[in-house]
Amino acid sequence: EAQVTQNPRYLITVTGKKLTVTCSQNMNHEYMSWYRQDPGLGLRQIYYSMNVEVTDKGDVPEGYKVSRKEKRNFPLILESPSPNQTSLYFCASSWDLGLANEKLFFGSGTQLSVL
Amino acid sequence: SQQGEEDPQALSIQEGENATMNCSYKTSINNLQWYRQNSGRGLVHLILIRSNEREKHSGRLRVTLDTSKKSSSLLITASRAADTASYFCATDAGAQKLVFGQGTRLTINP
Repeated sequence: EAQVTQNPRYLITVTGKKLTVTCSQNMNHEYMSWYRQDPGLGLRQIYYSMNVEVTDKGDVPEGYKVSRKEKRNFPLILESPSPNQTSLYFCASSWDLGLANEKLFFGSGTQLSVL
Repeated sequence: SQQGEEDPQALSIQEGENATMNCSYKTSINNLQWYRQNSGRGLVHLILIRSNEREKHSGRLRVTLDTSKKSSSLLITASRAADTASYFCATDAGAQKLVFGQGTRLTINP
C-alpha cells in the first residue's frame, strides 16, 4: 500500500531533550516536506527536500533540522525542543512538486507536546 | 504567510443538504487544490484545478476557480455524515510548496 509513515503518533517530552520524528514513504517520491499545524494558523511549511541531499527552509524553520540521506526517509530533528514547538506535525511527499499539478500525500501526523 | 483563506470557518448542515466552502488567495497560482482532514489525522487530497480551468467535478464534489477574483469554491452535494471533516484549500504558486488556508470545519448533522 502506497503510504507516508510517521512515527511516533504521539510524543510528550521536556524542554531541551533532543528528539527525532521519522518519516518514510514507499512511493519513490522525489519531494518531501514537513508541516506543522496550529489552531488559527493552519499548516505552515517547516522544511522541504526536492531530492536526496537537497533540503531547503520553508516558512518556519527555526528550531528544526532535517536530513535526506535516502530518497524514502526524511526525519525531522528538534535539537532542543521548546514549548512553542508543541504542535501537530505532518510529513508529506510528492513525485515532484516542482512540476505543475502535483498533489501531496500526507502521513497520519505526530502530536508533539513539549513540557 | 497564508495564501488561501477559507470561508466560512465553520459550517453545520443537515445530512442530504449541499455544502459550499469558499477560498480566496492573494497571488497568481499554477493550480489550487482541496484537501480533507478528519479530526487531527493526515490530509487527503480531494481535487486539483489548474489555473486555466474554471470548473471541475469529481463524484459529489464540484470545484470552481475564478482567477480574476482569486477565489475558488468547493461544493459537496447530497452531504453524508462521513463528510464531517475540515476542508482546506491549498495553492501552488511555485516555490516548491503548497500554501494552505486555515480550513473550514464542516459538520453534517443526521
